[in-house]
Amino acid sequence: DSGVTQTPKHLITATGQRVTLRCSPRSGDLSVYWYQQSLDQGLQFLIQYYNGEERAKGNILERFSAQQFPDLHSELNLSSLELGDSALYFCASTGPYSGNTIYFGEGSWLTVV
Amino acid sequence: GNSVTQMEGPVTLSEEAFLTINCTYTATGYPSLFWYVQYPGEGLQLLLKATKADDKGSNKGFEATYRKETTSFHLEKGSVQVSDSAVYFCALIGAQKLVFGQGTRLTINP
Repeated sequence: DSGVTQTPKHLITATGQRVTLRCSPRSGDLSVYWYQQSLDQGLQFLIQYYNGEERAKGNILERFSAQQFPDLHSELNLSSLELGDSALYFCASTGPYSGNTIYFGEGSWLTVV
Repeated sequence: GNSVTQMEGPVTLSEEAFLTINCTYTATGYPSLFWYVQYPGEGLQLLLKATKADDKGSNKGFEATYRKETTSFHLEKGSVQVSDSAVYFCALIGAQKLVFGQGTRLTINP
């Protein structure tokens, strides 16, 4: 158990819909990362937050947004969903007590039908 | 910018064979290096790490040595098992950004 908690574990939704994925980082971790893993594109970095503020942005679509709340949990919002958004979405966290190691949650499987 | 290049897969070996998965990196400064493993249907797990030159990370019989002179962090295991079948990702972290290689799918046949 990495200590990073993601919900839901599995989600099936229709095209055009909106979903929210939630992540609780390890206790004490201030940084949260979101990654997308699809079959054909490997691990794609989406966005990073540090203590509530956006720190870095990767290949995140405009239809996607994220935020980190004062209690440090984070949410990834995916809207106007397309079939190609079907993927495994990972959250990861690190912080001053993580020994410069980034720990991953088990991921949220999103299927768009 | 920082980047990681992994040996292309897939790799198929017989049980008890010797394994090497090559990983080289490009980075400014002194990044920490990692190997993550993803078993079928599961999330990413940290396998091992090394934080400075000449450090050797090890776990579950796997080893990797941080080689600054060759900018490499090759993963090795002396005798693989069927249960080692998974996708292996080399990664580095520098300035709190984690950069992954493309992953190497390993299949071990009994």
